[in-house]
Amino acid sequence: DSGVTQTPKHLITATGQRVTLRCSPRSGDLSVYWYQQSLDQGLQFLIQYYNGEERAKGNILERFSAQQFPDLHSELNLSSLELGDSALYFCASSGQVYNTEAFFGQGTRLTVV
Amino acid sequence: GESVGLHLPTLSVQEGDNSIINCAYSNSASDYFIWYKQESGKGPQFIIDIRSNMDKRQGQRVTVLLNKTVKHLSLQIAATQPGDSAVYFCAEYGGADGLTFGKGTHLIIQP
Repeated sequence: DSGVTQTPKHLITATGQRVTLRCSPRSGDLSVYWYQQSLDQGLQFLIQYYNGEERAKGNILERFSAQQFPDLHSELNLSSLELGDSALYFCASSGQVYNTEAFFGQGTRLTVV
Repeated sequence: GESVGLHLPTLSVQEGDNSIINCAYSNSASDYFIWYKQESGKGPQFIIDIRSNMDKRQGQRVTVLLNKTVKHLSLQIAATQPGDSAVYFCAEYGGADGLTFGKGTHLIIQP
């Protein structure tokens, strides 16, 4: 158990809809990262928050947004969903702003139908 | 754009043998190179990292080698065990850009 909790584990929704994925980092970790894993694109870095502020942005679509709350949990919002958004979405956390060792949650499997 | 990739998608080894997983990278400016392991149904798990100014680093049963001349990274696992079956990703770390992962190599352990 990495200590990172993601909910829900599975999500099935229709195209055009909006969903929210939730992540609780390890106790004490200030950095939260979001990754998307798909068969064709592999693991793609989406975005990082540190202590409530956006720190780095990767290949995140404009339809996607995230935030980190004062209690350090984070949410990833995906809107106007397309079939191609079906993937595993991972949250990871680490104690520092920049850290090679990140602890990953078990992921949320999103299926868009 | 920059990329981190793996030579082989699948590697099959006998239990007890040593495994060597290879990775080619293209971004020479990365500060660290890292190996992650992902077991079925789980998130990636950190194994070991190596700073760009080093060429070798050892952990418990694992060794990472970095050859900057040919931009090559390898992970050696000694005395491979059934629990080592997983997909192994190399990744590079450049600070503000987070981790850039390769496509992954599936390590299969034969009894």
